[in-house]
Amino acid sequence: GENVEQHPSTLSVQEGDSAVIKCTYSDSASNYFPWYKQELGKGPQLIIDIRSNVGEKKDQRIAVTLNKTAKHFSLHITETQPEDSAVYFCAAGNRDDKIIFGKGTRLHILP
Amino acid sequence: EAGVAQSPRYKIIEKRQSVAFWCNPISGHATLYWYQQILGQGPKLLIQFQNNGVVDDSQLPKDRFSAERLKGVDSTLKIQPAKLEDSAVYLCASRNSGTPIEQYFGPGTRLTVT
Repeated sequence: GENVEQHPSTLSVQEGDSAVIKCTYSDSASNYFPWYKQELGKGPQLIIDIRSNVGEKKDQRIAVTLNKTAKHFSLHITETQPEDSAVYFCAAGNRDDKIIFGKGTRLHILP
Repeated sequence: EAGVAQSPRYKIIEKRQSVAFWCNPISGHATLYWYQQILGQGPKLLIQFQNNGVVDDSQLPKDRFSAERLKGVDSTLKIQPAKLEDSAVYLCASRNSGTPIEQYFGPGTRLTVT
């Protein structure tokens, strides 16, 4: 089955700097790669996703890149703000209705 | 649009006791998921329903966990008897089969087994 590895487990960046979180997956059949943000005491919320027929997708300060050959994908957050502090999860799946999550990255935005 | 509702938000029980969690998905969402999230890890799928039928329960410890979705709407997840390793946040998510991408998560129930 699918296995998703996520790095780093913790990331601290200065406010205004960029943050990058990387994930690798094992199942070459995976074609859907969402990213979720989880704030304390809340459930995960989708922030961006990408499909295997696209190499890069951007939404304001957030972008995701996908390298299917290497089986890895990354989340990029630019101009980080205090409200970006949260736990971020990558996920992968080969069906739209079932995804496997990574272990998460705790992002701290330092003032 | 109301989100996914879960109750209770917190529960503390002793090992070998039983516990039940309730989930009310977003109205009209045919697909419902229960996930277990152990501290420091990502959500792990326990069971997936399509309407009131089970699509995938391969990761559900069936000797102690059970789940049902009555009339294809609300769902309950039960643990009996609980073990210490069941301490986790139990998340419910739902998805509209007409929009094939996003799963909407509830706030979760934090279970502590002592």
